[in-house]
Amino acid sequence: DTAVSQTPKYLVTQMGNDKSIKCEQNLGHDTMYWYKQDSKKFLKIMFSYNNKELIINETVPNRFSPKSPDKAHLNLHINSLELGDSAVYFCASSQGYEPAQYFGPGTRLTVL
Amino acid sequence: SQKIEQNSEALNIQEGKTATLTCNYTNYSPAYLQWYRQDPGRGPVFLLLIRENEKEKRKERLKVTFDTTLKQSLFHITASQPADSATYLCALNSLGGSQGNLIFGKGTKLSVKP
Repeated sequence: DTAVSQTPKYLVTQMGNDKSIKCEQNLGHDTMYWYKQDSKKFLKIMFSYNNKELIINETVPNRFSPKSPDKAHLNLHINSLELGDSAVYFCASSQGYEPAQYFGPGTRLTVL
Repeated sequence: SQKIEQNSEALNIQEGKTATLTCNYTNYSPAYLQWYRQDPGRGPVFLLLIRENEKEKRKERLKVTFDTTLKQSLFHITASQPADSATYLCALNSLGGSQGNLIFGKGTKLSVKP
Protein backbone atom coordinates (compact mmCIF):
# COMPACT_ATOMS: atom_id res chain seq x y z
CA ASP A 1 0.00 0.00 0.00
CA THR A 2 2.33 2.72 -1.22
CA ALA A 3 1.01 6.14 -0.27
CA VAL A 4 3.16 8.21 -2.64
CA SER A 5 4.87 6.42 -5.51
CA GLN A 6 7.25 7.61 -8.18
CA THR A 7 8.51 6.10 -11.40
CA PRO A 8 11.15 5.47 -12.42
CA LYS A 9 13.37 5.04 -9.38
CA TYR A 10 16.49 5.58 -11.48
CA LEU A 11 16.83 7.58 -14.69
CA VAL A 12 20.06 7.88 -16.65
CA THR A 13 20.03 10.02 -19.77
CA GLN A 14 22.12 12.18 -22.04
CA MET A 15 22.38 15.96 -21.97
CA GLY A 16 19.81 17.66 -24.16
CA ASN A 17 17.18 14.94 -23.82
CA ASP A 18 13.64 15.45 -22.54
CA LYS A 19 12.38 13.22 -19.74
CA SER A 20 9.44 12.79 -17.39
CA ILE A 21 9.06 11.52 -13.86
CA LYS A 22 5.67 10.31 -12.71
CA CYS A 23 4.13 10.68 -9.27
CA GLU A 24 0.95 9.21 -7.86
CA GLN A 25 -0.56 9.46 -4.40
CA ASN A 26 -3.43 7.37 -3.03
CA LEU A 27 -3.95 9.39 0.14
CA GLY A 28 -6.77 11.51 -1.26
CA HIS A 29 -4.64 14.63 -0.80
CA ASP A 30 -5.31 17.67 -2.93
CA THR A 31 -1.89 19.32 -2.85
CA MET A 32 1.25 17.88 -4.38
CA TYR A 33 4.85 19.04 -4.50
CA TRP A 34 8.13 18.42 -6.25
CA TYR A 35 11.43 18.78 -4.41
CA LYS A 36 15.02 18.50 -5.61
CA GLN A 37 17.75 17.05 -3.38
CA ASP A 38 21.22 17.82 -4.66
CA SER A 39 24.49 16.02 -4.04
CA LYS A 40 24.95 17.89 -0.77
CA LYS A 41 21.62 16.45 0.40
CA PHE A 42 19.96 19.87 0.45
CA LEU A 43 16.21 19.44 -0.13
CA LYS A 44 14.62 22.34 -2.00
CA ILE A 45 11.02 22.99 -3.06
CA MET A 46 10.44 23.30 -6.79
CA PHE A 47 6.65 23.45 -7.14
CA SER A 48 3.50 23.12 -5.17
CA TYR A 49 0.22 22.45 -6.92
CA ASN A 50 -3.40 21.92 -6.15
CA ASN A 51 -6.35 22.13 -8.48
CA LYS A 52 -6.52 25.84 -7.94
CA GLU A 53 -3.01 27.12 -8.23
CA LEU A 54 0.52 26.34 -9.18
CA ILE A 55 3.27 27.95 -7.14
CA ILE A 56 6.65 27.89 -8.79
CA ASN A 57 9.87 28.52 -6.95
CA GLU A 58 11.41 31.42 -8.82
CA THR A 59 14.77 29.70 -9.06
CA VAL A 60 13.41 26.77 -11.07
CA PRO A 61 14.31 27.01 -14.78
CA ASN A 62 11.36 27.00 -17.17
CA ARG A 63 12.73 23.77 -18.64
CA PHE A 64 10.94 22.14 -15.72
CA SER A 65 7.18 21.89 -15.86
CA PRO A 66 4.70 20.03 -13.67
CA LYS A 67 1.66 18.46 -15.29
CA SER A 68 -1.32 17.15 -13.37
CA PRO A 69 -3.78 14.95 -15.26
CA ASP A 70 -5.88 14.59 -12.09
CA LYS A 71 -5.76 15.22 -8.37
CA ALA A 72 -3.82 12.04 -7.64
CA HIS A 73 -1.00 12.63 -10.11
CA LEU A 74 1.66 15.27 -10.59
CA ASN A 75 4.25 14.49 -13.21
CA LEU A 76 7.48 16.41 -13.76
CA HIS A 77 8.64 17.11 -17.29
CA ILE A 78 12.18 18.28 -17.93
CA ASN A 79 13.30 19.60 -21.30
CA SER A 80 16.84 19.94 -22.61
CA LEU A 81 18.44 18.21 -19.66
CA GLU A 82 21.70 19.65 -18.31
CA LEU A 83 24.44 18.13 -16.18
CA GLY A 84 23.35 20.26 -13.23
CA ASP A 85 19.94 18.64 -13.27
CA SER A 86 21.47 15.46 -11.83
CA ALA A 87 19.88 15.02 -8.40
CA VAL A 88 17.24 13.05 -6.54
CA TYR A 89 13.72 14.34 -7.16
CA PHE A 90 11.02 13.77 -4.57
CA CYS A 91 7.31 14.07 -4.95
CA ALA A 92 5.20 14.80 -1.86
CA SER A 93 1.59 15.41 -1.00
CA SER A 94 -0.50 16.97 1.75
CA GLN A 95 -4.12 17.70 2.45
CA GLY A 96 -4.80 21.31 1.55
CA TYR A 97 -2.05 23.22 3.24
CA GLU A 98 -1.89 20.94 6.25
CA PRO A 99 1.70 21.12 7.37
CA ALA A 100 2.68 17.44 7.34
CA GLN A 101 3.85 16.21 3.95
CA TYR A 102 4.19 12.65 2.72
CA PHE A 103 7.08 11.93 0.44
CA GLY A 104 7.65 9.41 -2.32
CA PRO A 105 10.77 7.24 -2.48
CA GLY A 106 12.57 9.57 -4.88
CA THR A 107 13.87 9.35 -8.45
CA ARG A 108 17.63 9.54 -8.95
CA LEU A 109 18.29 11.38 -12.20
CA THR A 110 21.74 11.20 -13.72
CA VAL A 111 22.54 13.34 -16.75
CA LEU A 112 25.64 12.29 -18.68
CA SER B 1 15.88 36.00 3.38
CA GLN B 2 14.71 33.06 5.48
CA LYS B 3 17.47 30.85 6.74
CA ILE B 4 17.47 27.55 8.62
CA GLU B 5 20.54 26.07 10.21
CA GLN B 6 21.05 22.66 11.72
CA ASN B 7 24.31 23.24 13.44
CA SER B 8 25.67 19.72 13.48
CA GLU B 9 26.17 17.85 10.25
CA ALA B 10 26.74 14.68 12.24
CA LEU B 11 26.12 13.49 15.77
CA ASN B 12 27.46 10.26 17.24
CA ILE B 13 26.07 8.92 20.49
CA GLN B 14 26.00 5.72 22.49
CA GLU B 15 22.92 3.53 22.61
CA GLY B 16 20.66 4.40 25.53
CA LYS B 17 21.70 8.04 25.68
CA THR B 18 19.54 11.00 24.69
CA ALA B 19 20.25 12.55 21.31
CA THR B 20 19.64 16.29 21.05
CA LEU B 21 19.53 17.96 17.64
CA THR B 22 19.32 21.72 17.10
CA CYS B 23 17.52 23.80 14.49
CA ASN B 24 17.93 27.57 14.34
CA TYR B 25 16.23 29.99 12.00
CA THR B 26 16.59 33.67 11.15
CA ASN B 27 14.66 36.44 9.42
CA TYR B 28 11.39 34.69 9.99
CA SER B 29 8.58 33.89 12.43
CA PRO B 30 7.13 30.57 11.29
CA ALA B 31 3.65 29.44 12.19
CA TYR B 32 5.00 25.96 12.83
CA LEU B 33 8.11 23.84 12.61
CA GLN B 34 8.40 20.21 11.56
CA TRP B 35 10.91 17.41 11.96
CA TYR B 36 11.43 14.66 9.40
CA ARG B 37 13.57 11.55 9.31
CA GLN B 38 15.38 10.47 6.15
CA ASP B 39 17.07 7.12 5.68
CA PRO B 40 19.61 6.57 2.87
CA GLY B 41 17.94 6.12 -0.51
CA ARG B 42 14.49 6.97 0.83
CA GLY B 43 12.17 9.95 1.07
CA PRO B 44 11.76 12.02 4.24
CA VAL B 45 9.21 10.75 6.75
CA PHE B 46 7.19 13.17 8.85
CA LEU B 47 7.79 12.81 12.60
CA LEU B 48 6.48 15.76 14.58
CA LEU B 49 5.07 19.24 14.16
CA ILE B 50 5.06 22.01 16.73
CA ARG B 51 3.15 25.27 16.38
CA GLU B 52 4.34 28.72 17.34
CA ASN B 53 2.09 28.81 20.42
CA GLU B 54 3.38 25.46 21.71
CA LYS B 55 6.50 25.11 23.83
CA GLU B 56 6.87 21.35 23.73
CA LYS B 57 5.48 18.30 21.93
CA ARG B 58 6.05 14.63 22.66
CA LYS B 59 5.54 11.41 20.75
CA GLU B 60 6.79 8.21 22.32
CA ARG B 61 10.59 8.65 22.72
CA LEU B 62 10.62 11.88 20.72
CA LYS B 63 10.34 15.38 22.15
CA VAL B 64 10.43 18.70 20.32
CA THR B 65 10.73 22.14 21.87
CA PHE B 66 10.13 25.46 20.17
CA ASP B 67 11.54 28.72 21.50
CA THR B 68 10.29 31.59 19.34
CA THR B 69 12.39 34.10 21.29
CA LEU B 70 15.63 32.24 20.62
CA LYS B 71 14.32 31.20 17.17
CA GLN B 72 15.32 27.65 17.94
CA SER B 73 13.88 24.16 18.08
CA LEU B 74 15.44 21.22 19.88
CA PHE B 75 14.66 17.64 18.88
CA HIS B 76 15.33 14.95 21.49
CA ILE B 77 15.38 11.17 21.12
CA THR B 78 15.48 9.51 24.53
CA ALA B 79 16.81 6.00 25.13
CA SER B 80 18.31 6.06 21.65
CA GLN B 81 18.69 2.85 19.67
CA PRO B 82 20.84 1.92 16.66
CA ALA B 83 17.60 1.88 14.62
CA ASP B 84 17.32 5.63 15.26
CA SER B 85 20.39 6.19 13.09
CA ALA B 86 19.30 8.38 10.18
CA THR B 87 19.40 11.97 8.98
CA TYR B 88 16.96 14.29 10.73
CA LEU B 89 15.64 17.33 8.89
CA CYS B 90 14.08 20.44 10.35
CA ALA B 91 11.54 22.28 8.15
CA LEU B 92 9.62 25.54 8.28
CA ASN B 93 6.74 26.76 6.14
CA SER B 94 7.97 29.36 3.69
CA LEU B 95 7.02 33.01 3.58
CA GLY B 96 4.97 34.09 0.62
CA GLY B 97 3.70 31.86 -2.14
CA SER B 98 2.12 28.72 -0.80
CA GLN B 99 2.16 28.35 2.95
CA GLY B 100 2.55 24.64 2.31
CA ASN B 101 5.96 25.10 0.75
CA LEU B 102 8.58 23.94 3.18
CA ILE B 103 12.11 25.17 3.62
CA PHE B 104 14.38 22.41 4.92
CA GLY B 105 17.58 22.55 6.88
CA LYS B 106 20.51 20.53 5.62
CA GLY B 107 19.94 17.85 8.22
CA THR B 108 21.89 16.23 11.02
CA LYS B 109 23.11 12.68 10.49
CA LEU B 110 22.65 10.77 13.73
CA SER B 111 24.62 7.60 14.40
CA VAL B 112 23.72 5.56 17.47
CA LYS B 113 26.42 3.05 18.39
CA PRO B 114 25.56 -0.15 20.24
